[in-house]
Amino acid sequence: DSGVTQTPKHLITATGQRVTLRCSPRSGDLSVYWYQQSLDQGLQFLIQYYNGEERAKGNILERFSAQQFPDLHSELNLSSLELGDSALYFCASSVTAREAEQYFGPGTRLTVT
Amino acid sequence: ILNVEQSPQSLHVQEGDSTNFTCSFPSSNFYALHWYRWETAKSPEALFVMTLNGDEKKKGRISATLNTKEGYSYLYIKGSQPEDSATYLCAFIGYSGNTPLVFGKGTRLSVIA
Repeated sequence: DSGVTQTPKHLITATGQRVTLRCSPRSGDLSVYWYQQSLDQGLQFLIQYYNGEERAKGNILERFSAQQFPDLHSELNLSSLELGDSALYFCASSVTAREAEQYFGPGTRLTVT
Repeated sequence: ILNVEQSPQSLHVQEGDSTNFTCSFPSSNFYALHWYRWETAKSPEALFVMTLNGDEKKKGRISATLNTKEGYSYLYIKGSQPEDSATYLCAFIGYSGNTPLVFGKGTRLSVIA
């Protein structure tokens, strides 16, 4: 158990809908990262927050947004969902913003039908 | 676009064999390299964080070396066991910009009893 929690574990929704994925980092970790893993793709970095502020952005679609709250938990919002958004979404946390090892949550499996 | 390459893509070894695989990354602008172990149906788990040229790290039967001047890292597993079966990911952090880890696609190791 990494200490990072993600909810829900599974999500099935229809195209055009909007969903929110939630992540609670390990106690004491200030950085939260979101990754997407699609079929046959590696881990794709989406976005990073550090102590409430957006720190880095990857190939995140405009339909996706995220935030980190004062209690350091983070939410990833995915809207106008398309079939291609079906993937495993991981959240990870680390103590610092750059080089520290990341602790991954169990992931949320999103299926868009 | 940063390129992090891992080879081989997959590997099958017999129990007791020692094995190694490679991670190649840009040699300029190096900040840190991570290795993660990802078992099927679980989430990635940190193995090593390496920052200095010539670094060697060890955890049990698994060790890693780092050459930042030529842009590669090797991961070695001595006396492979079935429980070592997993995908091994490396991830690169560059010095410039705010982009955190860029992951390779991984080497999938299967250890046959």
